[in-house]
Amino acid sequence: EPEVTQTPSHQVTQMGQEVILRCVPISNHLYFYWYRQILGQKVEFLVSFYNNEISEKSEIFDDQFSVERPDGSNFTLKIRSTKLEDSAMYFCAATAGGPADTQYFGPGTRLTVL
Amino acid sequence: AQSVTQLGSHVSVSEGALVLLRCNYSSSVPPYLFWYVQYPNQGLQLLLKYTSAATLVKGINGFEAEFKKSETSFHLTKPSAHMSDAAEYFCAVSDRSFQKLVFGTGTRLLVSP
Repeated sequence: EPEVTQTPSHQVTQMGQEVILRCVPISNHLYFYWYRQILGQKVEFLVSFYNNEISEKSEIFDDQFSVERPDGSNFTLKIRSTKLEDSAMYFCAATAGGPADTQYFGPGTRLTVL
Repeated sequence: AQSVTQLGSHVSVSEGALVLLRCNYSSSVPPYLFWYVQYPNQGLQLLLKYTSAATLVKGINGFEAEFKKSETSFHLTKPSAHMSDAAEYFCAVSDRSFQKLVFGTGTRLLVSP
């Protein structure tokens, strides 16, 4: 069964550094999402992406964050200047489309900002 | 705006006992509702979803949930717990526009022998 994959599984970075988290969605999926989960807290929506543009973003998704689909397969989340509070598990999700469609989640990238 | 409340951050049951995980939602439109499970160090896996068809929804691993509009609830049940059910369970509601999922705080299910 096709899966959503994410790399790296764990990233450690210094505060102020840029990080890029990568996701490879299932090939026929059209809608893409990033969520994050701070340790011990609930999963929070960051951004949705469709047709090469952002569909919706949360208050968390400020100017330090950006997303793109550079080559038609990878879907990336960039944090330009990381803060301590960006430490979290970041999940990519994808769906073929339609409001009732299942979102398939990747295994996540654990980001640790020191 | 949609929201989800999961009562009980931890639920403990014995193997073979009934599992009941509670979820109440708030939505200004007819909701789509989901239950996801997260095993340690893994991503989120869909257990089941309600999309306005049958109100009793059956999912994987013997789980089911019933949508009750009058109670704004979507509780997850399983007749007989298994050790392998120990995990974190998240209830989520979709806002139907671009499908953003709004998650509850999660319930950790502990299963003892």
